[in-house]
Amino acid sequence: NAGVMQNPRHLVRRRGQEARLRCSPMKGHSHVYWYRQLPEEGLKFMVYLQKENIIDESGMPKERFSAEFPKEGPSILRIQQVVRGDSAAYFCASSQGGLSTNEKLFFGSGTQLSVL
Amino acid sequence: SQQGEEDPQALSIQEGENATMNCSYKTSINNLQWYRQNSGRGLVHLILIRSNEREKHSGRLRVTLDTSKKSSSLLITASRAADTASYFCATPSNFGNEKLTFGTGTRLTIIP
Repeated sequence: NAGVMQNPRHLVRRRGQEARLRCSPMKGHSHVYWYRQLPEEGLKFMVYLQKENIIDESGMPKERFSAEFPKEGPSILRIQQVVRGDSAAYFCASSQGGLSTNEKLFFGSGTQLSVL
Repeated sequence: SQQGEEDPQALSIQEGENATMNCSYKTSINNLQWYRQNSGRGLVHLILIRSNEREKHSGRLRVTLDTSKKSSSLLITASRAADTASYFCATPSNFGNEKLTFGTGTRLTIIP
């Protein structure tokens, strides 16, 4: 019963390149959340998705960032034309139901993105 | 601004002592959750307390919730070196909202 799987664990990109971060939720979970964490800070919400739908993307920059959770396959967080300020740890979490039903989140180990 | 704000930001105690961390939040909630993060790892859920609960226990953890003061506390009793981590409180941003907003965390160091 694997937990939330994120890959890659570490990703190095040069400025202007694209970064693709993948997240496979826990088995049976259809709700996926992406968070970003800067060093010594808390987690900042980016986007909440259910299968094939973006529910809330209020925390995601409108330019260069996009997210999807297709019917088949993992959720993808895509950052185009990366800049140094995108360097951070990106965490994915999943839940079985919505959080308004007192669900808890299960987190992956994160992807550390470094932009050179 | 953060929905949840923990204090202190950092706490160092001797092994065996109790550690208390506090969290304040701004809006009405239906639950409050505490998570632990070991260095370089993802967050692990510790405990959830509902808005109609005042206190909850789980092993060496004790959580209280005061909705009138919009605050919660996490007590870890008989601390161990393995408890060294960052601890975050998290709440739905608005009542019934589907996303969790995390505070800035308390970095707890247990000195052997």
